[in-house]
Amino acid sequence: AIRMTQSPSSFSASTGDRVTITCRASQGISSYLAWYQQKPGKAPKLLIYAASSLQSGVPSRFSGSGSGTDFTLTISCLQSEDFATYYCQQYYSYPPTFGQGTKLEIK
Amino acid sequence: EVQLVESGGGLVQPGGSLRLSCAASGFTFSSYSMNWVRQAPGKGLEWVSYISSSSSTIYYADSVKGRFTISRDNAKNSLYLQMNSLRDEDTAVYYCARAYDGDYAHFDYWGQGTLVTVSS
Repeated sequence: AIRMTQSPSSFSASTGDRVTITCRASQGISSYLAWYQQKPGKAPKLLIYAASSLQSGVPSRFSGSGSGTDFTLTISCLQSEDFATYYCQQYYSYPPTFGQGTKLEIK
Repeated sequence: EVQLVESGGGLVQPGGSLRLSCAASGFTFSSYSMNWVRQAPGKGLEWVSYISSSSSTIYYADSVKGRFTISRDNAKNSLYLQMNSLRDEDTAVYYCARAYDGDYAHFDYWGQGTLVTVSS
């Protein structure tokens, strides 16, 4: 199975900050990469698919980039509602696998 | 509006069985592949199983292969997960999730989840 490694696992930031989360695949996955946001007690929500395509209804402050093995999720100007856990996921091959998550907390 | 509503979770003893259901609405269910994804308490997301729109293609995670069975009834707009020989480590919230397009796709809609607790 392809291993997905996110960094950092957690960090603190302030509203208005620009933040970047990194996801690395153990082998090349082209652009078959999605990012999800999950808040406590809620289901994951799709933010980005195909590495850089913004899901309908997701604010434009979210963006994704990368291909092959290295990917990033950037939030350009943190809002209070963005404090959550973020997961990357590869769907290049079975089984689909997720990163361990990055918990974004308020500083 | 796309809606996925899971049901059937609960407390079961190790070795027991449970059947989860996922009722779909707001889209043409028969045109989409579906997945089950689980999340153990305080842990990350783990994909469990996939079924194509016509049920012709099915995949399982190694951790559940031989114990879980995924199925669907397109006439009833419903997805199922039959879970047998349950273990403590199967304790999790189980989500059904729609695959956007085909066998290799991201999950664009998720249900709210149903909690399965395996404990004696």
